[in-house]
Amino acid sequence: QLQLQESGPGLVKPSETLSLTCTVSGGSVRSSNDYWGWIRQPPGKGLEWIANIHYSGNIYYNPSVKSRVAISVDTSTNQFSLKLSSATAADTAVYYCARWTQNAFDIWGQGTMVTVS
Amino acid sequence: QSALTQPASVSGSPGQSITISCTGTSSDVGSYNLVSWFQQHPGKAPKLMISEVNKRPSGVSNRFSGSKSGNTASLTISGLQAEDEADYYCYSYAASITYVFGTGTKVTVL
Repeated sequence: QLQLQESGPGLVKPSETLSLTCTVSGGSVRSSNDYWGWIRQPPGKGLEWIANIHYSGNIYYNPSVKSRVAISVDTSTNQFSLKLSSATAADTAVYYCARWTQNAFDIWGQGTMVTVS
Repeated sequence: QSALTQPASVSGSPGQSITISCTGTSSDVGSYNLVSWFQQHPGKAPKLMISEVNKRPSGVSNRFSGSKSGNTASLTISGLQAEDEADYYCYSYAASITYVFGTGTKVTVL
């Protein structure tokens, strides 16, 4: 059964780069039918899609964060990652990784809280 | 790109049916049959309940159903059970390969 698990620092200083990794188990990031994505939810606020990536290199970013975000995939470790530069308090959120397949985010990680302070 | 609008809370008694709405625009919900719903219990990973407006993934109870009319999608839970008490979110594909989420609805089983 496919599972996703986010990992990374829970505390990031303002202006630094927020870096997160999602480990995929029970499946492969090399699946041709799947994209891998990041979504976040600031405390008390709604969810925001950040980016999607296909192992072939196709990438899609939310225009609202595109200038500061980089998503990547590592097929050797079966992981994909998110980097968000110039972090501010507004980037404080629970960050989720998820699989996009058959027109939906069908499998999600449990989420990891990142505080920028 | 504004969030999709959902009621903050919906409640019902066990066995009843409830419906959660998800209102977007002609640029997202109204243009694509790519609305999904997920359920989230506190501290747990979100669980996909409905995709592509009305498709139920394997393993999801048939008490959950989805529909869409114009710019508004809906999730109906019939035969409400205590375990259905959770937060529910909709999301939709939007233009230029982006995705927009709903504001979330807390379902309470009375």
